Amino acid sequence: ILNVEQSPQSLHVQEGDSTNFTCSFPSSNFYALHWYRWETAKSPEALFVMTLNGDEKKKGRISATLNTKEGYSYLYIKGSQPEDSATYLCAFSGSARQLTFGSGTQLTVLP
Amino acid sequence: DSGVTQTPKHLITATGQRVTLRCSPRSGDLSVYWYQQSLDQGLQFLIQYYNGEERAKGNILERFSAQQFPDLHSELNLSSLELGDSALYFCASRGGNEQFFGPGTRLTVL
Repeated sequence: ILNVEQSPQSLHVQEGDSTNFTCSFPSSNFYALHWYRWETAKSPEALFVMTLNGDEKKKGRISATLNTKEGYSYLYIKGSQPEDSATYLCAFSGSARQLTFGSGTQLTVLP
Repeated sequence: DSGVTQTPKHLITATGQRVTLRCSPRSGDLSVYWYQQSLDQGLQFLIQYYNGEERAKGNILERFSAQQFPDLHSELNLSSLELGDSALYFCASRGGNEQFFGPGTRLTVL
């Protein structure tokens, strides 16, 4: 059974704060690591997919890094805004490509 | 809008019944994945199809089955429904390394 763990489980920050979350995953049989943003009543929205050790991806104020050797990825949000409030999911993809999801980090950005 | 469509959006039915959920992948995507999100669990992989053939199975119950048709749309059939089958069911299609999720079908079993 694959174990994908995310921390923290939930986080409340003030508008303008920067924050980061962690995803740990098995380092064997690795194909890709995905980050999704999931708002209530919507479908998960793809943020990043990373495949190579040392990958760094950036989209606006959100960025992510990947360490496949030690099995972790960080997601960073710089200058959080209330519209960033959502659940952030990471998912591990092995050779079969199906996604094994973590339980998510629920972010609330207070105005 | 991811380009993946799912119908119906909501479904309410009774225990013991059978339902069919439908998914159309993004244009050009050959792979379809089904996932289940129930109250007490995260998103769980159920089954994958690629160009009409089953490719991988996850935590899918024997009461559940799926297929992918020549036009690449997929259907997930859930039978002998139980209260615990109430969940959000997503399909996703894969383009390159990314998976794009549909809006989901919320199934309520009463």
